[in-house]
Amino acid sequence: NAGVTQTPKFQVLKTGQSMTLQCAQDMNHNSMYWYRQDPGMGLRLIYYSASEGTTDKGEVPNGYNVSRLNKREFSLRLESAAPSQTSVYFCASSGTGSGSNQPQHFGDGTRLSIL
Amino acid sequence: SQKIEQNSEALNIQEGKTATLTCNYTNYSPAYLQWYRQDPGRGPVFLLLIRENEKEKRKERLKVTFDTTLKQSLFHITASQPADSATYLCAPGPDKVIFGPGTSLSVIP
Repeated sequence: NAGVTQTPKFQVLKTGQSMTLQCAQDMNHNSMYWYRQDPGMGLRLIYYSASEGTTDKGEVPNGYNVSRLNKREFSLRLESAAPSQTSVYFCASSGTGSGSNQPQHFGDGTRLSIL
Repeated sequence: SQKIEQNSEALNIQEGKTATLTCNYTNYSPAYLQWYRQDPGRGPVFLLLIRENEKEKRKERLKVTFDTTLKQSLFHITASQPADSATYLCAPGPDKVIFGPGTSLSVIP
């Protein structure tokens, strides 16, 4: 029972490079989320997807794009990485649409450093 | 704007004592509030959800209260153990669940 799987676990990029963070869930959840977590800042929502085919901006969307490839997969893309995007990125999923009282299930994160 | 605050300092308590963590929110009227546990290097794990019409919720050694007048939730761990050491996050919802910054708890043997 894998739950939420994120790849890669670690990545180092140079400023200006692009990359895609992958996330997949096997719980048949409708909603999926991308967060970043920085020391003292807590989890901040980047983008979320309430259902397959829909995506919406969260609190800190600038510099990121997302794709809800299908019900299982939700990817996060950095088109031109900046040092300010150095962070730990978490993907999560939950059972129904955004704003429901279903708990979120998290992956173990991608640790991204941008030099 | 909506703001979530948790104990600003790390909490250190002796094994066997009760740990109490605080979550305060402003400019927000959540219908429910979730609590999560996060261990170093791992993603948060859901612990408990309490709704606005519930004053108290219990699960084993955990107890959560929700005071909509004070705009506050308290999270208690009774008979604390070193294995309870972790960071605890509160998350009021719905309308895009917002996470607090977390409180780091250390239970000292």
